[in-house]
Amino acid sequence: ETGVTQTPRHLVMGMTNKKSLKCEQHLGHNAMYWYKQSAKKPLELMFVYSLEERVENNSVPSRFSPECPNSSHLFLHLHTLQPEDSALYLCASSQDMGNTIYFGEGSWLTVV
Amino acid sequence: AQSVAQPEDQVNVAEGNPLTVKCTYSVSGNPYLFWYVQYPNRGLQFLLKYITGDNLVKGSYGFEAEFNKSQTSFHLKKPSALVSDSALYFCAVREPGAGSYQLTFGKGTKLSVIP
Repeated sequence: ETGVTQTPRHLVMGMTNKKSLKCEQHLGHNAMYWYKQSAKKPLELMFVYSLEERVENNSVPSRFSPECPNSSHLFLHLHTLQPEDSALYLCASSQDMGNTIYFGEGSWLTVV
Repeated sequence: AQSVAQPEDQVNVAEGNPLTVKCTYSVSGNPYLFWYVQYPNRGLQFLLKYITGDNLVKGSYGFEAEFNKSQTSFHLKKPSALVSDSALYFCAVREPGAGSYQLTFGKGTKLSVIP
């Protein structure tokens, strides 16, 4: 039980599909993050939301679209992905940006 | 720009022996340093952090880390390794200051504890 819940844990999608990853945090935090973890590469920060406003978008392709409807929920909408987008997508939260980040268990995405 | 290096891709240690996982960093000013652990098919779990104060920081599961400013290092240590400590360990750094929030992670070190 990490306090940050991600669904689904595993997702296989075709390149023309539209799907979404969901994240919910139960820690009362006000900042949420999406990270991408690929094999043999450092963790990549994709998006940061603080108080439901997007703060950071690290040159992420537009086929990834985040949504933060409130401080407890974060979505990552996926559309026309490429096989190289296959990775573990980690959601995280913190109380204020820059404080200790707590991660969810991740969503394993395979694009076929 | 901030950066962190974990010089060892893999560390093997016998159960019961002390373990060290190395981390060096580069940052402007006094760093904020973190260690996370990732078990197979799981997310990252926070172990410990150094912000200021004592150079020896104690964390979860009996782990500790020593901040060494002169060597710009923050090595993770445990006096007696358990087989269940086998996992991937990540060091992370960020610059101090209210406007700085992005963590930079190392590539990770795979720890294998041999029974």
